[in-house]
Amino acid sequence: SQQGEEDPQALSIQEGENATMNCSYKTSINNLQWYRQNSGRGLVHLILIRSNEREKHSGRLRVTLDTSKKSSSLLITASRAADTASYFCATDRPGAGSYQLTFGKGTKLSVIP
Amino acid sequence: SQTIHQWPATLVQPVGSPLSLECTVEGTSNPNLYWYRQAAGRGLQLLFYSVGIGQISSEVPQNLSASRPQDRQFILSSKKLLLSDSGFYLCAWKGGAGYEQYFGPGTRLTVT
Repeated sequence: SQQGEEDPQALSIQEGENATMNCSYKTSINNLQWYRQNSGRGLVHLILIRSNEREKHSGRLRVTLDTSKKSSSLLITASRAADTASYFCATDRPGAGSYQLTFGKGTKLSVIP
Repeated sequence: SQTIHQWPATLVQPVGSPLSLECTVEGTSNPNLYWYRQAAGRGLQLLFYSVGIGQISSEVPQNLSASRPQDRQFILSSKKLLLSDSGFYLCAWKGGAGYEQYFGPGTRLTVT
């Protein structure tokens, strides 16, 4: 079953604008990760936020986590055409062996030059 | 540095034919290995994972199987493909105490 659900499913913005994507999940987690996937390619890890953290930054990326609402958001500031991709959140399963991740269906971001 | 390879990159197979997809990792030892399938426009579905040679766990019942004959080699197989097996197959690894997974370039499988 899907643990993470991203919102919106698709987002189209102009270059230079900020893009915000949201992720909701259902069960408790140890951490939450965001990945990017360019069309027809593998996923690339962007950022990880632990359950005891509320906000984390990496370059133009800002991730927030609200464990009381079981939600996270990914903000990409000053977007570029190269940011066009699908973005997925992934949550771990506490207690599961081998460290398994559950991915959402993703948000497809289009940045128009 | 670590590298993950998958082949073939694309594959078109008729229904009922066998399948073998290979994934190899370089630059790390004793990684956790994962096989995912991604249907068009969808998220990733975990199919199999392995914590060591010969150790395979299946997430969903299906006509696919996986094997890990060597530490850094992970193989996805099927004896008879179904139309529903079409999709984008991704291999990933996780090393040590880290939580991040690192993905290969994927194999696009079309069953006709």
